[in-house]
Amino acid sequence: DAGITQSPRHKVTETGTPVTLRCHQTENHRYMYWYRQDPGHGLRLIHYSYGVKDTDKGEVSDGYSVSRSKTEDFLLTLESATSSQTSVYFCAIRPGLAPATDTQYFGPGTRLTVL
Amino acid sequence: AQKVTQAQTEISVVEKEDVTLDCVYETRDTTYYLFWYKQPPSGELVFLIRRNSFDEQNEISGRYSWNFQKSTSSFNFTITASQVVDSAVYFCALSDQTGANNLFFGTGTRLTVIP
Repeated sequence: DAGITQSPRHKVTETGTPVTLRCHQTENHRYMYWYRQDPGHGLRLIHYSYGVKDTDKGEVSDGYSVSRSKTEDFLLTLESATSSQTSVYFCAIRPGLAPATDTQYFGPGTRLTVL
Repeated sequence: AQKVTQAQTEISVVEKEDVTLDCVYETRDTTYYLFWYKQPPSGELVFLIRRNSFDEQNEISGRYSWNFQKSTSSFNFTITASQVVDSAVYFCALSDQTGANNLFFGTGTRLTVIP
C-alpha cells in the first residue's frame, strides 16, 4: 500500500463545467503523476510534479492544469470539461528512496464521465 | 520518443495452461527501465516487476517469469500454470531518462483464464 488516495472516485459532470480531481499521499514522496486511461491507448501521462509548485507537462496535457501547493496533494483541474475527457484518471507516486526509486505506484483511480 | 507495443490485445487460455504476454519497446536511451503492471477487474494497477536496461537476467517469481532481451527489444512475461485469478489486463511500460522517469505504456493485453 503506497498510501495514495484519490477523490472523488466517481464523478459525472456536464460539458463546460470545471472539475478538480485530488490525489493525496501520506509518505512525502517527491514525484507525483497524473495519467488517463482510455481503451486502445493504455495509460498516458497528463502532468507530473517533482516538488511543491514544480510541475511539468506530459504527453496529453492540453485542457488540463495541475497544482501542488503541499507535498501531499496534487490536484488535476479540467477548466472546462469536454466529452473527450471522459476517462479513468490515475494518480501515481514515485518513492525517492532506494531500492524502488524508479517505480511508480498508482492510486485507485477516478472514473470521470462528461456528458 | 519511447514506444511500447503489446500486439496481443486479448488472450484466452484454459486454467493450468502456460501463457506468454509479449512486449516490444523502442527507445534511443541507453539507460531505461521496463515494467509490468497488472490491472485486475477491480481496476487498480498493481506493480509486478521492474528491470533496468543493464540487467538482462531473466527473473522468476513463483509462477511468473520475465524474459528481457535487448537484442530484440523485448520484455516478455510468462505465467506458468495459469489460474483464474490471473485474469486481468497486463500493461508493459518503459521509462524515459528525464529526472521524472515518466512512464510510457503499451495498450495492454487482456488475459482471460477459463476454469
